[in-house]
Order: sequence, then C-alpha cells, then structure tokens
Amino acid sequence: AQTVTQSQPEMSVQEAETVTLSCTYDTSESDYYLFWYKQPPSRQMILVIRQEAYKQQNATENRFSVNFQKAAKSFSLKISDSQLGDAAMYFCAYFSGGNEKLTFGTGTRLTIIP
Amino acid sequence: KAGVTQTPRYLIKTRGQQVTLSCSPISGHRSVSWYQQTPGQGLQFLFEYFSETQRNKGNFPGRFSGRQFSNSRSEMNVSTLELGDSALYLCASSAWQGPAKNIQYFGAGTRLSVL
Repeated sequence: AQTVTQSQPEMSVQEAETVTLSCTYDTSESDYYLFWYKQPPSRQMILVIRQEAYKQQNATENRFSVNFQKAAKSFSLKISDSQLGDAAMYFCAYFSGGNEKLTFGTGTRLTIIP
Repeated sequence: KAGVTQTPRYLIKTRGQQVTLSCSPISGHRSVSWYQQTPGQGLQFLFEYFSETQRNKGNFPGRFSGRQFSNSRSEMNVSTLELGDSALYLCASSAWQGPAKNIQYFGAGTRLSVL
C-alpha cells in the first residue's frame, strides 16, 4: 500500500519570505501522480500543484514550485514570496490510476507572520 | 464552469439515524470520489464511482454506501450513525480524459455532527 508522510505538523514564515514543505512517499509503482492541496479555514480543498512521475522537470505554478526526487521518493513544495492568503493546511497526496484514489499525508499547517 | 457542489453544508443527526449526502460534479466529469476527514484519522478514502460503477472502496464498514446516477451526480449514505461518524465529508470529481485527467477537484464538504 502507498503511504505519504509529512513530517512537519506546523511551519511558519515571514510574509514575503520563502518556505519549503516536505513530503515523502512510499510506492512500488512507476506511474503515478503527486499533488499538493491547500485547505484554508473555509475547508475547501484547493489544488496547488501537480507532478506526473514520468516527468523529470519539476512543476511550477507562479509562486509555487516542487522539488521532485523520484529515486528518493521525495516531493517538497516551495512557496516563494509568501502572502497572508497562503495560510492554510497543506496536504501532500499520491494518486495512481490503478487505485483511482488519493492517499493523503497528515498535513502541514502553515502560518504567515505579517 | 460551476465547481463541485455538495449539499447540505451542515448536518446534525443523532446516533442510530441514517443520513444521505449529495454531490454534483463539475460538468463533464464522470468520476466522483468521497473522502472522510477527521482530526484523528485525517483524510481517508471512502469510495470512487465512474459511470455509475463503484471502482474502488476504502476500508470502511458496510454502513457506508454510495451510488452514482446517470448524470454523474453521486450520493453517499451512512446508516445507523455512530458518534465516530462525525466528520467532514468531501466529494471530488475528475475528468476521465484530457490534460486534467486524474486531477481531483473538491467540493466545500458536508460537516456531519452525530449527537
């Protein structure tokens, strides 16, 4: 079974600074997807970024980028120029077509300090 | 395009009752998944439907069931409610083809409280 581990329950960063959230996963499959979702206090789960395992290039979405290390099974999220609106729970998630389900980590609560 | 719509947003039930939650996916999406979120267990997969067929089921008791209709709308039902069923229930839909395939888009959730 696949597992996803987020070892940082809480993180904080000064506004406008850069922060990196860590995620590791375990799988025996070669074809899968990795995601970062954010869940603000409104509870709506919002997609931040997606990485396909077969792509070597790290995904980027504006201020959000990932460091995908397939051999090490590591998938970290870097948030540049942090903004107050980035405050949320961030979940790392794994998906494979064979299971048709997302497996989530336990989440990292990110606080932005003004 | 409208997003994933879940109704109701809040529910209060008592032990032993049953409850039905509804989910309308994004137009054109044929896959609908359900997740339970609790402070203790985190986010756990309940089941996934595609074209009215359940393709995968999580490790939940038989009291939890679901179905999908021909218009891709989905419902989940919990019978004989227990206190531990209190949770946020999230529904997600995804496209079955195209560049956004396998991206799950979530609704705002239904907060169920069992008293």
